[in-house]
Amino acid sequence: EVQLLESGGGLVQPGGSLRLSCAASGFTFNNYAMSWVRQAPGKGLEWVSAVSGSGDDTFYADSVKGRFTISRDNSRNTLSLQMNSLRVEDTAVYFCARDVRKYFDDWGQGTLVTVSS
Amino acid sequence: EVVLTQSPATLSLSPGERATLSCRASQSFNNYLAWYQQKPGQVPRLLIYDASNRATGIPARFTGSGSGTDFTLTISSLEPEDFAVYYCQQRSNWPPYSFGQGTKLEI
Repeated sequence: EVQLLESGGGLVQPGGSLRLSCAASGFTFNNYAMSWVRQAPGKGLEWVSAVSGSGDDTFYADSVKGRFTISRDNSRNTLSLQMNSLRVEDTAVYFCARDVRKYFDDWGQGTLVTVSS
Repeated sequence: EVVLTQSPATLSLSPGERATLSCRASQSFNNYLAWYQQKPGQVPRLLIYDASNRATGIPARFTGSGSGTDFTLTISSLEPEDFAVYYCQQRSNWPPYSFGQGTKLEI
């Protein structure tokens, strides 16, 4: 059974930093690209970032480019998202999602990031 | 960037009725479109991929169709558990992947 478990969310002030993690199990982690998708309270889904299975290729939404960094550790089956220069509009639940042919077939339960002073 | 526009924003129907949800793209692309269902407090679930293929375990009452710029999700006979928010997502012109804004299907 595929399991994705996010952690690292919390309350942070504008301009601050936070690092999210996603622990994966139940599948061969390095065979799959992974993404972060977020959902602001009461709003729709927004893709944030993706990383290839090897970790060599990374992609970002314009809204986070230059502030967020996605990475993965295939030896530990872990996906990460380093978020710097956080803004109020980054407040959302952040999901990690397994990317199968650029669709998201499995999702974690999400971790809430709140950016507020 | 491909912008996906879903309609209607809210659809009010009763169990047993047929639901038709629309997703229109700002530019034409091949059939690399997915549909997701999200119930309150739950994570999204992949229903349909490549416009018309049901994901594993998805009931046959869910049908995806369309091409070019116009795509449709049809639920043939609504069950109580189908009332949720539905999102379309394109993977043809990426990055970025883009989602529609969602259609809320309510009783």
